[in-house]
Amino acid sequence: LAKTTQPVSMDSYEGQEVNITCSHNNIATNDYITWYQQFPSQGPRFIIQGYKTKVTNEVASLFIPADRKSSTLSLPRVSLSDTAVYYCPLYSGAGSYQLTFGKGTKLSVIP
Amino acid sequence: DGGITQSPKYLFRKEGQNVTLSCEQNLNHDAMYWYRQDPGQGLRLIYYSQIVNDFQKGDIAEGYSVSREKKESFPLTVTSAQKNPTAFYLCASLLGRYYTFGSGTRLTVV
Repeated sequence: LAKTTQPVSMDSYEGQEVNITCSHNNIATNDYITWYQQFPSQGPRFIIQGYKTKVTNEVASLFIPADRKSSTLSLPRVSLSDTAVYYCPLYSGAGSYQLTFGKGTKLSVIP
Repeated sequence: DGGITQSPKYLFRKEGQNVTLSCEQNLNHDAMYWYRQDPGQGLRLIYYSQIVNDFQKGDIAEGYSVSREKKESFPLTVTSAQKNPTAFYLCASLLGRYYTFGSGTRLTVV
């Protein structure tokens, strides 16, 4: 069963770049890496996905090394509104469409 | 706007009572999911359905039941057999490789 490991929490000041790393040692060969953001009392929201190297969108960047055993979500110049829990779920098995969510990383942005 | 609608937002259940949580989507997605989230915890899969009239148990299906009679609807019933139902319930649908989630239903036992 695919499992991920993330830091439990992180603090950052407004305006700084934040990097959150996720370890996924047994990711399936064909699986993409996805990241979600969750605010209190809301459902998670998809942020970004990638397979290898680097992906960038209007919200974040995702860095994936060649061995794909980890990934790093990078949030540029965070603001107070980026305070949330960030997840890097994996599919439950090869060919599966069920995402398994860990406890995520609680990011607190400090003014 | 396309999306997933969960209702009600808050629900209170008495001991021994069955309650049903609604999940409706207008995204035309085939696959739908129910997750449970406890405070400070990740999401745990209860049930999922990949097509109409078919559904599968997830990791914590005991005490729950579902139906999928229409593509748009995937209601979850929390039965009296679920001994600790107080939690935040999330419904999601899948298109391609990422999920769209509803805004959740918070269920409390009183």
